[in-house]
Amino acid sequence: QVQLVQSGAEVRKPWASVRVSCKASGYIFTDYYFHWVRQAPGQGLEWMGIINPRGGHTTYSKKFQGRITMTRDTSTSTLYMDLNSLRSEDTALYYCARGEAVGANQRHIDHWGQGTLVTVSS
Amino acid sequence: QTVVTQEPSVTVSPGGTVTLTCGSNTGAVTSSYSPNWFQQQPGQAPRALIYSTTNRHSWTPARFSGSLLRGKAALTLSGVQPEDEAVYYCVLFFGGGPIFGGGTQLTVL
Repeated sequence: QVQLVQSGAEVRKPWASVRVSCKASGYIFTDYYFHWVRQAPGQGLEWMGIINPRGGHTTYSKKFQGRITMTRDTSTSTLYMDLNSLRSEDTALYYCARGEAVGANQRHIDHWGQGTLVTVSS
Repeated sequence: QTVVTQEPSVTVSPGGTVTLTCGSNTGAVTSSYSPNWFQQQPGQAPRALIYSTTNRHSWTPARFSGSLLRGKAALTLSGVQPEDEAVYYCVLFFGGGPIFGGGTQLTVL
């Protein structure tokens, strides 16, 4: 079965960087897009970006461009999301989520990781 | 700025039927936006329910159905169960990327 297992909680000071990982299993890693989505405490879901694991091509939300980098390691079926210049407003649960198959017509998100809490505090 | 709108809260009686909607300030929602719906229980990750407007995932109970309704995407729950109490999010896929609605808190009372 499809599983997305994320790294553990992180605490960072303002202006620091954080890396969150997401290990996929149960299917062919390079066959599906991946999204990163975050959720601030008590708030809704916010899309951050998408990566094609075949070539590593990324598209980021304009809100995060310049601060975010999404990468993948196909040898370990692991995704990474780096966010730098952290501020208190970046305190949130960060989710990886599997998108549609590469080349599919219809867009969707199906499986989600368990979430990684990133806390930014001085 | 594109905004996806959902009802903030809706209440339904057990066994009843309720429809949640998902609109856009850019105009009518069509199937080209590939509306998806998710359910989020407290303390849990979101769970996908519906994709491409009307399609259930293999794990989605049949009481959940998706449609287009008067220019919006819609999620209808028929025969609501107490465990359906949750926050429901829609997402629409625009050229610049997907945008989530603010979520609807569904209360079963």
